[in-house]
Amino acid sequence: DTGVSQNPRHKITKRGQNVTFRCDPISEHNRLYWYRQTLGQGPEFLTYFQNEAQLEKSRLLSDRFSAERPKGSFSTLEIQRTEQGDSAMYLCASSSQTRRNTEAFFGQGTRLTVV
Amino acid sequence: QQQVKQSPQSLIVQKGGIPIINCAYENTAFDYFPWYQQFPGKGPALLIAIRPDVSEKKEGRFTISFNKSAKQFSLHIMDSQPGDSATYFCASRYNTDKLIFGTGTRLQVFP
Repeated sequence: DTGVSQNPRHKITKRGQNVTFRCDPISEHNRLYWYRQTLGQGPEFLTYFQNEAQLEKSRLLSDRFSAERPKGSFSTLEIQRTEQGDSAMYLCASSSQTRRNTEAFFGQGTRLTVV
Repeated sequence: QQQVKQSPQSLIVQKGGIPIINCAYENTAFDYFPWYQQFPGKGPALLIAIRPDVSEKKEGRFTISFNKSAKQFSLHIMDSQPGDSATYFCASRYNTDKLIFGTGTRLQVFP
């Protein structure tokens, strides 16, 4: 296991379509996070899971967004009825809760473009 | 109260120079302060991190200085190289392990 894996790396979709992204965390990590990053800005927290439980959701996560982590392994982030404002890099990160300094490791991200 | 303010927005130095990037936070509940390096088209990569009970931490050419009373911390890159050209983000961790990021500093190191 070499790190956090995200698929696809790039996605171009038409406004109004649904899209789904996948994140495979580092295998022994029980925490998984989703962030969104727009051009020239830092990553903004969207939501996070501890095992299969979704523990926190940001106000940025409108009702068009849904995230799941079945069985506490990989996670999916779905955006329904995409809007041009959804265009961004979607980043996934994972960490282990078992260590005091729980370093978060990021994937390469999925770049979404809504046209 | 959850904001992390980062400056400068961009920085240009010559090879061998020592760029310094500064961050300030407001929430005293933050207990972990990492720095991430990001190259274009890539995800952020953890560079170095510090906890508030330590005033300085050094790893290779990277040093974090931490001032708890001022609620500020900074990244120093010694003997900077062109390969250090990237965007650097400071972050602060809230008690649930959620990271709050600064707005980033674009560093360019010229030969």
